[in-house]
Amino acid sequence: NAGVTQTPKFQVLKTGQSMTLQCAQDMNHEYMSWYRQDPGMGLRLIHYSVGAGITDQGEVPNGYNVSRSTTEDFPLRLLSAAPSQTSVYFCASSYSRGTGVSDTQYFGPGTRLTVL
Amino acid sequence: AQKITQTQPGMFVQEKEAVTLDCTYDTSDQSYGLFWYKQPSSGEMIFLIYQGSYDEQNATEGRYSLNFQKARKSANLVISASQLGDSAMYFCAMREDVFNDMRFGAGTRLTVKP
Repeated sequence: NAGVTQTPKFQVLKTGQSMTLQCAQDMNHEYMSWYRQDPGMGLRLIHYSVGAGITDQGEVPNGYNVSRSTTEDFPLRLLSAAPSQTSVYFCASSYSRGTGVSDTQYFGPGTRLTVL
Repeated sequence: AQKITQTQPGMFVQEKEAVTLDCTYDTSDQSYGLFWYKQPSSGEMIFLIYQGSYDEQNATEGRYSLNFQKARKSANLVISASQLGDSAMYFCAMREDVFNDMRFGAGTRLTVKP
C-alpha cells in the first residue's frame, strides 16, 4: 500500500493563480481531510469529508474548495491564490465516517506552497 | 478557545535520558481521543500513540508512554531513553465524540543532545 499520497511536493504560484493539490489514499478510508501548517500554529483543518459526495468546512476554509467524487481522491482547489496561503498542506485519512474518536489519521508527505 | 495547549515551544534533553512533553486539552465531551504525532525535519507526520478517554490504563508504545490525567485534562508524552533520532517537533491532538475533525496543539520542538 502507498498509504496517502500528495502531489506536487513543491509549488510556487503567483497571486491570483489557481491550482489543485492532489491527494489519494489506497486504504479504503472513509474520512479524509486537508490541513495547513504554519509556523507556531500547529495544523489547522481546512476541509474534510466523511465519504464520497460529502464534504464540510473546517476551521480555515476561506479561499479553498474541495470535492469528493471517489473514496480514494480528495483534491484541494485554491481558487485565487494569495500570499496568506503560503503554507505546508497536509492531506490525511482515517477509517471511520462516524464518531470514531479512536480513529488514527494517517498523513501524506505534504505539499509546500509558496504564493508570490 | 484553544482546544489543545502545548506550553513548551522547545525542549532539550540529554541522550539516554527521559523527557516529558506537556499537553493540556479542553473539552466538555465524555468520549474523546488523544493522539501524539512526531514531525522530523523531513516534514512527514508520524503517529506515535493514542489514549482514549475511557481507557483506564496509560497507553504505551515502545519507548513512548502517555501520562493521562483526566481530572487535570492533561495528556503528557513521556519518551524514555532518548535517542538522537527523537529530535523533532511533537504535536498533541484531540478528536472529540461529536465532531470528526482532529484539533492540534502548536507543537513542541525537542532537541536531543549527544
